[in-house]
Amino acid sequence: GEEVAQTPKHLVRGEGQKAKLYCAPIKGHSYVFWYQQVLKNEFKFLISFQNENVFDETGMPKERFSAKCLPNSPCSLEIQATKLEDSAVYFCASSRSTVQRGIQYFGAGTRLSVL
Amino acid sequence: SQKIEQNSEALNIQEGKTATLTCNYTNYSPAYLQWYRQDPGRGPVFLLLIRENEKEKRKERLKVTFDTTLKQSLFHITASQPADSATYLCAPPWGSSNTGKLIFGQGTTLQVKP
Repeated sequence: GEEVAQTPKHLVRGEGQKAKLYCAPIKGHSYVFWYQQVLKNEFKFLISFQNENVFDETGMPKERFSAKCLPNSPCSLEIQATKLEDSAVYFCASSRSTVQRGIQYFGAGTRLSVL
Repeated sequence: SQKIEQNSEALNIQEGKTATLTCNYTNYSPAYLQWYRQDPGRGPVFLLLIRENEKEKRKERLKVTFDTTLKQSLFHITASQPADSATYLCAPPWGSSNTGKLIFGQGTTLQVKP
């Protein structure tokens, strides 16, 4: 597709429940990035993929967060045992290249509310 | 550690005027810097990219400058319109890792009044 598709738009979970978010990158883009936007405008990088391989996971809280990008499937970000502080908007972005022309195309985001 | 600072106060201007938004960075020298626009409930949308060896970049009514001595980028919208009202984000890459991950400023919200 011509735009990054994220599902669901809104996800509500009780504390301790699992949350799974999906992202379909733009066709032909090799790189996928996940960001977490907490409060109004604070973006935090989580993880990136080059095709199905983890490219950079330096932002990932590994205890409860995991992510995958498998061939012919949307990428996913999973949070086990959600906590209140996981409430945020999670954005996925895709890019053709990361090297100095790394324009990222963002999806509309998934708003996760942990109650 | 790397820090990106944008004027977090909202910028209110009259239609037709030029809006100027500031992005300051400290503790590193990014090879390039991107500007994005974000509307409420939407993801950021890419506007312009400027490299460290470029002083200025233009696209229609938009202009970005990059001063590596001052460690500052300025984003200008000329002949502003109410439709330009949005939050504008400055986003250089994170350090020198070259993995493409971006570090975002907190954004400046622009309100253009008719």
